[in-house]
Amino acid sequence: NAGVTQTPKFRVLKTGQSMTLLCAQDMNHEYMYWYRQDPGMGLRLIHYSVGEGTTAKGEVPDGYNVSRLKKQNFLLGLESAAPSQTSVYFCASGPVLNGRKNQPQHFGDGTRLSIL
Amino acid sequence: KQEVTQIPAALSVPEGENLVLNCSFTDSAIYNLQWFRQDPGKGLTSLLLIQSSQREQTSGRLNASLDKSSGRSTLYIAASQPGDSATYLCAVSSYTDKLIFGTGTRLQVFP
Repeated sequence: NAGVTQTPKFRVLKTGQSMTLLCAQDMNHEYMYWYRQDPGMGLRLIHYSVGEGTTAKGEVPDGYNVSRLKKQNFLLGLESAAPSQTSVYFCASGPVLNGRKNQPQHFGDGTRLSIL
Repeated sequence: KQEVTQIPAALSVPEGENLVLNCSFTDSAIYNLQWFRQDPGKGLTSLLLIQSSQREQTSGRLNASLDKSSGRSTLYIAASQPGDSATYLCAVSSYTDKLIFGTGTRLQVFP
């Protein structure tokens, strides 16, 4: 049972470089989310998707783009990385929207991204 | 704007103690509240989910309570064990369908 898989697990970038984080889920969930976790600030929602082909902005969307071309995959892109984007990124999926109908989200193990 | 606060930020207790973790939120208009566990280098695992109409939920040695009117929730861990050592996060789901997380309580249970 893979659940939610994130790749890569670690990455170091230089300022200005671009990269894509991949999230894959095998639970046939409609909803998928990208969060970032920073010390002292908790998890904050970057973008989310309510189904294949849809995306929406979360709390901190600036500097990121997302795509959901296939139901099982949710990609997070950084077009021009900045040191302020150094963080741990978590992907999550769920069968309903953020706990409605009382179904919790399932999380991946995170991607640790450092931008120099 | 909904804000979620967890106190204490860190807690160290000997094995066997019963302990209480606290979570407070500023806007009582929530749909549910969840408690998660996070192990170092890992993602979040959902422990308990309390609907806004409920007062508490129990799972094994864990009991979570919710007082929506006062904006508070507690996670009670009975007979703590070293395996309970982790960071515990609470999150509230508002009617805008966004999960707002607290900053967590880092728990260490020593033998």
